[in-house]
Amino acid sequence: GPKVLQIPSHQIIDMGQMVTLNCDPVSNHLYFYWYKQILGQQMEFLVNFYNGKVMEKSKLFKDQFSVERPDGSYFTLKIQPTALEDSAVYFCASSLGGGGAETLYFGSGTRLTVL
Amino acid sequence: DAKTTQPDSMESTEGETVHLPCSHATISGNEYIYWYRQVPLQGPEYVTHGLQQNTTNSMAFLAIASDRKSSTLILPHVSLRDAAVYHCILRVAGGNNKLTFGQGTVLSVIP
Repeated sequence: GPKVLQIPSHQIIDMGQMVTLNCDPVSNHLYFYWYKQILGQQMEFLVNFYNGKVMEKSKLFKDQFSVERPDGSYFTLKIQPTALEDSAVYFCASSLGGGGAETLYFGSGTRLTVL
Repeated sequence: DAKTTQPDSMESTEGETVHLPCSHATISGNEYIYWYRQVPLQGPEYVTHGLQQNTTNSMAFLAIASDRKSSTLILPHVSLRDAAVYHCILRVAGGNNKLTFGQGTVLSVIP
């Protein structure tokens, strides 16, 4: 099926530093998402993004979080500054359109470790 | 989006056909039924989805009850690679498009 690429697969960072997670979505997709999963727990929605704007964000999407997709390139999640509780696997997803009939495709995740 | 109920876990033997149930008694007429699966350390993988009619693809058969209050994901001839957490998720057509994951069903496959 369609592939969403996430680079790198693992990132280690010191608490308080900034980190940017990169996502290369499916080429013709227009809607983008970030999810967070702590080891052993269920996937949690963070944010979705369309046409340069955040459409919806959850309570987990703290003020320290931001997303953008400059010039149609990578879709990024930036955390500044990072905290210990930000350690998790972050999954990016994309879909062609909005609405419940459109399938989301997920990347393999970036494991973020905050020391 | 309406809520779904799935068993916490199921077990099968390689080569068997597995029936994974999902209850969605409060489903609305415009909600799609989606199935995803996830193995440890990987992202969720799309399996199938449907609205009213049964659907089939290379991975699975989705049987939807006539009143749409339940559905069953049928995996023919499972292999060890089918061991995963299977999520049944409802999504509103024309909604904000996010997926809301629950705990899902942990499917174990015995050689």
